[in-house]
Amino acid sequence: EIVMTQSPATLSVSPGERATLSCRASQSVSINLAWYQQKPGQAPRLLIYGASTRATGIPARFSGSGSETEFTLTVSSLQSEDFAVYYCQQYHNWPPWTFGQGTKVEIK
Amino acid sequence: QVQLQESGPGLVKPSETLSLTCTVSGGSISNYYWSWIRQPAGKGLEWIGRVYTTGSTNYNPSLKSRVTMSVDTSKNHFSLKLSFLTPADTAVYYCARDLGYVDSWGQGTLVTVSS
Repeated sequence: EIVMTQSPATLSVSPGERATLSCRASQSVSINLAWYQQKPGQAPRLLIYGASTRATGIPARFSGSGSETEFTLTVSSLQSEDFAVYYCQQYHNWPPWTFGQGTKVEIK
Repeated sequence: QVQLQESGPGLVKPSETLSLTCTVSGGSISNYYWSWIRQPAGKGLEWIGRVYTTGSTNYNPSLKSRVTMSVDTSKNHFSLKLSFLTPADTAVYYCARDLGYVDSWGQGTLVTVSS
């Protein structure tokens, strides 16, 4: 099983600032990496797939980069609605698809 | 945009079997993988398994001995059975369309395992 490790666990950011979230895979996942945003009481929402392709309707302030074992999600200018928990997920090796433990982005 | 809706009991007793169904609307269930993912309160996401529209299945090895998934294309729904439940199985259970990544999620259903 591929282990996904996200850092930091919590990120405190002021509105309008940039947020950079990291995700590391225990072995190469090529670019088979997705990012999700989850708000309290809601299902996760797909942001990025293929490491860098924005999903339909996702604002351009969200961008993804990386390959193999190191990945980054950047939110260029945090809006109030962006404060949430973010998860990365690999879909390179089954079984199973695996998620990181999440990064909570909170208001500073 | 396809929509998914979970249905099933919210409370199940220990050692019993959980049965959940996910109804797909706004699109065909055919030619996709469909997954179940769960999330204990305050914790991360765990992939339970997936079923293809032919009925082919892949399960998480950690749950494989207790999981059965099936699909009914005539009713546009797919199902999860999880047996020998313990309190550790208490979680929100999501159904999802699996493209490798998930592009469509159900709203989730809370399942509590308690006597």
